[in-house]
Amino acid sequence: AQKVTQAQTEISVVEKEDVTLDCVYETRDTTYYLFWYKQPPSGELVFLIRRNSFDEQNEISGRYSWNFQKSTSSFNFTITASQVVDSAVYFCALSEAAGNKLTFGGGTRVLVKP
Amino acid sequence: SQTIHQWPATLVQPVGSPLSLECTVEGTSNPNLYWYRQAAGRGLQLLFYSVGIGQISSEVPQNLSASRPQDRQFILSSKKLLLSDSGFYLCASQETSGTDTQYFGPGTRLTVL
Repeated sequence: AQKVTQAQTEISVVEKEDVTLDCVYETRDTTYYLFWYKQPPSGELVFLIRRNSFDEQNEISGRYSWNFQKSTSSFNFTITASQVVDSAVYFCALSEAAGNKLTFGGGTRVLVKP
Repeated sequence: SQTIHQWPATLVQPVGSPLSLECTVEGTSNPNLYWYRQAAGRGLQLLFYSVGIGQISSEVPQNLSASRPQDRQFILSSKKLLLSDSGFYLCASQETSGTDTQYFGPGTRLTVL
């Protein structure tokens, strides 16, 4: 069975600080996909990134960056120079190739104070 | 790109009353559709998914049911609501061709009193 663990339940930072969200996963499949979603106070889940298990290249998109390390089964997410608008709950998720069902971590609430 | 609509946005219902939540998708055909529930302060739990009209798989036994009467319509129902049914219900759509990404609707916040 697959599992996703986000050990940090809440992180509080001051604006412009960097914040890193940890995500550790478990799966028996060799082919799988990892995702990050953002859930702002409005509630809608916003897709941020998708990685497949064969692509270990780190990715940067603006102030967001992702560090995928297969050796440690981790897919961490860093927000650089955080802003108040980054305040949200962030979810890491895993899907195995065949089933396409998402398994979510418990989420990390990020609070960015001005 | 696909757009997912959910109706209603907010709902307050008494215990024992029926429930019907609707999800409709635009911009794609024959998507995989999903219902998730998020209890207050908790993560997301997959309730049902569907790979086609009339095809429903249940992940968690409970007093909820789902139906897919049309290709891009997914309905979540209950005959008698329980207090524990309160939560935030999210519908997700996934194109069966190409990417495996699930995209989510705006959600329905259900309070059972």
